Amino acid sequence: AQSVTQPDIHITVSEGASLELRCNYSYGATPYLFWYVQSPGQGLQLLLKYFSGDTLVQGIKGFEAEFKRSQSSFNLRKPSVHWSDAAEYFCAVGPPSGSARQLTFGSGTQLTVLP
Amino acid sequence: GAGVSQSPSNKVTEKGKDVELRCDPISGHTALYWYRQSLGQGLEFLIYFQGNSAPDKSGLPSDRFSAERTGGSVSTLTIQRTQQEDSAVYLCASSLRAGGFNTGELFFGEGSRLTVL
Repeated sequence: AQSVTQPDIHITVSEGASLELRCNYSYGATPYLFWYVQSPGQGLQLLLKYFSGDTLVQGIKGFEAEFKRSQSSFNLRKPSVHWSDAAEYFCAVGPPSGSARQLTFGSGTQLTVLP
Repeated sequence: GAGVSQSPSNKVTEKGKDVELRCDPISGHTALYWYRQSLGQGLEFLIYFQGNSAPDKSGLPSDRFSAERTGGSVSTLTIQRTQQEDSAVYLCASSLRAGGFNTGELFFGEGSRLTVL
């Protein structure tokens, strides 16, 4: 069965600092990988996704993520955090190609940004 | 509408009562999902509708939970005889189609927060 682990429940960074949110997955093959962001009182919004090809993917809001097969990881990064990035971030894994009926989400990482 | 719309945004109910949560997906999206988000937890898949196919109900936690999707558009999630452990945010999402490149590109509503006293 597929699973996703986000080992950091809560991360605090200062505005302007760099950010890395960790995500590890368990899956028998290379899955589809996603990062979603949930701002307070909002639904989840897709930040970026990895299906195949270049292992470094760019997303919206200046985020990027790198797929590392050897480490079963898909960490999210941003070089300079803005106060508006404070939110909860969810990593998700889905079965590759074909009719994916559901994603498996991690438990989320809450990001606090200090002024 | 422009996005996925859910109602009510907040619902407080007494234990044992039935509740209905509504989701209006983005027009033209054939796939619709319901998830449950409990405090400190990830999203728990509940049910999935794709076009006119039979729904995938594999995530429903008990027979007190049911959902329907009328006319391939609006969906209603019903929880009968609510229990305190049902308290959570119920999120609805839709996508243009399931499978392929659009897999996982879900558009979420803002959720319905359910509190069972």
